[in-house]
Amino acid sequence: DVKVTQSSRYLVKRTGEKVFLECVQDMDHENMFWYRQDPGLGLRLIYFSYDVKMKEKGDIPEGYSVSREKKERFSLILESASTNQTSMYLCASSSLAGGPGDTQYFGPGTRLTVL
Amino acid sequence: LAKTTQPISMDSYEGQEVNITCSHNNIATNDYITWYQQFPSQGPRFIIQGYKTKVTNEVASLFIPADRKSSTLSLPRVSLSDTAVYYCLVGDGSSNTGKLIFGQGTTLQVKP
Repeated sequence: DVKVTQSSRYLVKRTGEKVFLECVQDMDHENMFWYRQDPGLGLRLIYFSYDVKMKEKGDIPEGYSVSREKKERFSLILESASTNQTSMYLCASSSLAGGPGDTQYFGPGTRLTVL
Repeated sequence: LAKTTQPISMDSYEGQEVNITCSHNNIATNDYITWYQQFPSQGPRFIIQGYKTKVTNEVASLFIPADRKSSTLSLPRVSLSDTAVYYCLVGDGSSNTGKLIFGQGTTLQVKP
């Protein structure tokens, strides 16, 4: 079974703090993704990476950065956390199988509260 | 990426078959149709995927008509544990556009 793990299930931070969310996958997947999920807005893509040290902006990258130094690890960074970044953060990975219909495997999520 | 439309919510009772239909009028030739399930406080989980006609696995069936402009997820004999949000997505999963667009999903409530 594919396993995607996230460093914390719940996190509480203060406004202005730098926040690191870590994601690790154990299936040697090339693609990794960070989403945030908010009530009424569904999942929105923040950033994705299709290879080590490669990253692409998603739909809502403002206020976030990412790091992918190793294939299995994809980090989401909030440089200066703000209250509007309170959300559920979901990491996912998928294989660059070369075939259509690739599927994403999600981690359990990190519920971040910024006070 | 093709946009999808599905009902916001549905109610059912235990033991019934549930069919959730998704519209995707602008589906592209290379696009697959994929359904995910999400329980509260968990990440979405892949359920089933198809390109045309019918696909069945141990969890669900997926019916896709010839024009592929819609698809129907069928859950046989639902139980209370099937209460979740179900997302319909279309895309080709290619490396450059591997991102998926999740809409609002359909919240299925199964009652005793």
